[in-house]
Amino acid sequence: DVVLTQTPPTLSATIGQSVSISCRSSQSLLHSNGNTYLNWLLQRPGQPPQLLIYLVSRLESGVPNRFSGSGSGTDFTLKISGVEAEDLGVYYCVQSTHAPRTFGGGTKLELK
Amino acid sequence: QVQLKESGPGLVQPSQTLSLTCTVSGFSLTSNSVHWVRQPPGKGLEWVGAIWSGGSTDYNSALKSRLSISRDTSKSQVFLKMNSLQTEDTAIYFCTARSYLWWGQGVMVTVSS
Repeated sequence: DVVLTQTPPTLSATIGQSVSISCRSSQSLLHSNGNTYLNWLLQRPGQPPQLLIYLVSRLESGVPNRFSGSGSGTDFTLKISGVEAEDLGVYYCVQSTHAPRTFGGGTKLELK
Repeated sequence: QVQLKESGPGLVQPSQTLSLTCTVSGFSLTSNSVHWVRQPPGKGLEWVGAIWSGGSTDYNSALKSRLSISRDTSKSQVFLKMNSLQTEDTAIYFCTARSYLWWGQGVMVTVSS
């Protein structure tokens, strides 16, 4: 199974600070059809997860453009350009290139 | 409007079988896959399994021997059955669709005697 390793596990930030989260895969996530099926989700406390980014870098409708995704192959990054209070929670990467699907371990974003 | 709603028993005894239902509206099961994801208390997300639009299934490698996912398209329902439950199966169980865009609120399942 594909293992997704997220770093750091915890991230402390001030409002307005820019931060990045890394997601590294044990195998390339490039599908034979040319797509890379790597999504980013945010789970706020007590809520189901919310889709932020799909196919590495495509912003889901309604998601603020301070969120951006990048990467290829086995290395991926989620960047938040100017953290806001509503961004606090746990971020997960998830891959859908290989069966079975797998999630990263999560990165908790908290206020410094 | 898209909705997913999980239902099932809140408490299951060890070694028993868990049966959960995900009832969907606003989209067709024959055009969309539905996945189950679980989250133990205070821990991260774990992909459990999926039923694809064509009716085939995929399962978490570690759970495969205990797990079955099926559906009734006429009732817009997806079913999860997991046998030989242990305390480690205590978790919130979510159903989700459209590449994790649509989620239910989840149902808490506690395995305890």
